[in-house]
Amino acid sequence: GQQVMQIPQYQHVQEGEDFTTYCNSSTTLSNIQWYKQRPGGHPVFLIQLVKSGEVKKQKRLTFQFGEAKKNSSLHITATQTTDVGTYFCACRSNYQLIWGAGTKLIIKP
Amino acid sequence: NAGVMQNPRHLVRRRGQEARLRCSPMKGHSHVYWYRQLPEEGLKFMVYLQKENIIDESGMPKERFSAEFPKEGPSILRIQQVVRGDSAAYFCASSPDQGGPSYNEQFFGPGTRLTVL
Repeated sequence: GQQVMQIPQYQHVQEGEDFTTYCNSSTTLSNIQWYKQRPGGHPVFLIQLVKSGEVKKQKRLTFQFGEAKKNSSLHITATQTTDVGTYFCACRSNYQLIWGAGTKLIIKP
Repeated sequence: NAGVMQNPRHLVRRRGQEARLRCSPMKGHSHVYWYRQLPEEGLKFMVYLQKENIIDESGMPKERFSAEFPKEGPSILRIQQVVRGDSAAYFCASSPDQGGPSYNEQFFGPGTRLTVL
């Protein structure tokens, strides 16, 4: 079945540094969604990408979908403490969401 | 418009007992999905239901687990004879009818944290 691999598992950054998480698949993805889950919370939808090479921005967050539609990335510029949480990519496959393992953003004290 | 409601938020059961998890989708949503999340992992799809119908249960364990979404009332995920390995967070999500379910955003409930002693 379809799988999405997400790296890294953790990223420790100083507040103000940038953060990036990557999502890859061996097969072409029809779409990619990104979610954020705060500690102890539930996933919250951030965005969906469907077009090859698509780039979308939400304030300090930049989402990209690769030209071959096999990879995607989320980049956060100048991280803030409110960005702490785990960021998941997910792909819709029929009725299911196939999830990456997530990247946990940790702000160094 | 209230979001997706799940109860209980926390549930403790002893091995061999039954666990019943409830999910009320957002108003106007007739598509319900259940996911399981183990600590430090992503979510794993379990089952997709529409009112009175199970559409896809390919992620459900074959034994002890069942789900329903009756005409009236919430969706129920039922786990019989729980074991320690069932301890996890169980999330319910819903999506609206308009545009079909294929590309819609899924709205998640707060989850039920099940602990099996």
